[in-house]
Amino acid sequence: DAKTTQPTSMDCAEGRAANLPCNHSTISGNEYVYWYRQIHSQGPQYIIHGLKNNETNEMASLIITEDRKSSTLILPHATLRDTAVYYCIVSGTGTASKLTFGTGTRLQVTL
Amino acid sequence: DAGVIQSPRHEVTEMGQEVTLRCKPISGHNSLFWYRQTMMRGLELLIYFNNNVPIDDSGMPEDRFSAKMPNASFSTLKIQPSEPRDSAVYFCASTRDTNYNEQFFGPGTRLTVL
Repeated sequence: DAKTTQPTSMDCAEGRAANLPCNHSTISGNEYVYWYRQIHSQGPQYIIHGLKNNETNEMASLIITEDRKSSTLILPHATLRDTAVYYCIVSGTGTASKLTFGTGTRLQVTL
Repeated sequence: DAGVIQSPRHEVTEMGQEVTLRCKPISGHNSLFWYRQTMMRGLELLIYFNNNVPIDDSGMPEDRFSAKMPNASFSTLKIQPSEPRDSAVYFCASTRDTNYNEQFFGPGTRLTVL
């Protein structure tokens, strides 16, 4: 699976958009970009995933560059409850694939 | 709907004792994953099952660790004998094949081996 690079930490003011970047320059054509988050003392939570088109759901938007070498997770209106570690993971979708969690980005949402 | 259920939530044991962690996946999910999380090593995949069959156990640290999935609604992770370095939070996750890596995680079991 391709490796990802994320900033160690970021801050965001409550109510503002949080934009979390991820580099995955070695991604292959059949690999997807997944985002998970882990709120303190809880299990990781799936947020969103995409292949090459931008995706949006009730939690976030995922913007993938045309060359697929990087992506950005957008939380449109961050709240204090969005404070968490956010993981960007590149993986396939079949039963032979698996998620490899890196160190992620620690997002701190402040008043 | 009930999510992934893990028990116990906390376990404190002494070195050398056998530890059994339990997981009930979400009904209808046919893949199950066991992860371990420590400060030093982060979140690591130990083993995963598809339709109750172990697919990849390359993450199991050593022979002291074993996992079983006797049916679609139950899995165990056993450590025998336990050692202090096994202290960690152990997570179970499940998913359907159709969205294989959209995994649903349980609340975890915090294991402390004294």
